[in-house]
Amino acid sequence: QKEVEQNSGPLSVPEGAIASLNCTYSDRGSQSFFWYRQYSGKSPELIMSIYSNGDKEDGRFTAQLNKASQYVSLLIRDSQPSDSATYLCAVRGGSYIPTFGRGTSLIVHP
Amino acid sequence: EAGVTQFPSHSVIEKGQTVTLRCDPISGHDNLYWYRRVMGKEIKFLLHFVKESKQDESGMPNNRFLAERTGGTYSTLKVQPAELEDSGVYFCASSQVALAGVYSNEQFFGPGTRLTVL
Repeated sequence: QKEVEQNSGPLSVPEGAIASLNCTYSDRGSQSFFWYRQYSGKSPELIMSIYSNGDKEDGRFTAQLNKASQYVSLLIRDSQPSDSATYLCAVRGGSYIPTFGRGTSLIVHP
Repeated sequence: EAGVTQFPSHSVIEKGQTVTLRCDPISGHDNLYWYRRVMGKEIKFLLHFVKESKQDESGMPNNRFLAERTGGTYSTLKVQPAELEDSGVYFCASSQVALAGVYSNEQFFGPGTRLTVL
């Protein structure tokens, strides 16, 4: 049974701070890793994908992957109230079907 | 360009009734996926179409669920008869097939249909 674990939160950070979201996965054969952002009542939106160990930066977002530790994280720099949402970690192995975590609720307060 | 759309946005039915959910993928996307999120749980895969063919239906919970994609455009997911445990949010997603035949990594999700079975 492939599992993706996330702390459900909520994670509360002040505006301008760095928000750190973490995800662990059980399948060592996982190859692709995704972070989705979902606002309440809206569709999940892909914000980052990462495939190799290390860091990947895109604007205020940085994804970090450590396959040896089976760990992937998302850092949000200069957090804004508009970043308040649920962040879903998804992991995919050889197939095209991702396994999702339950999501972490992020609250950025002014 | 329009995104993935789903209809209805909400549906409340009684146990034993039938409900049909509809998904319109992004135009030109051959791949269409159905997912379900039960309250408090993670999003789980139900099935995958490539055009009008079912590529993978390993996630379908039981034979009360029937998905179709006639003509390879929109898809429907019928639940008949509905049970209480079918309540949840049903998401549809679509993705392209790259020219090399490799699945595009990005799946675009619709807003979901919230199904409540009473």
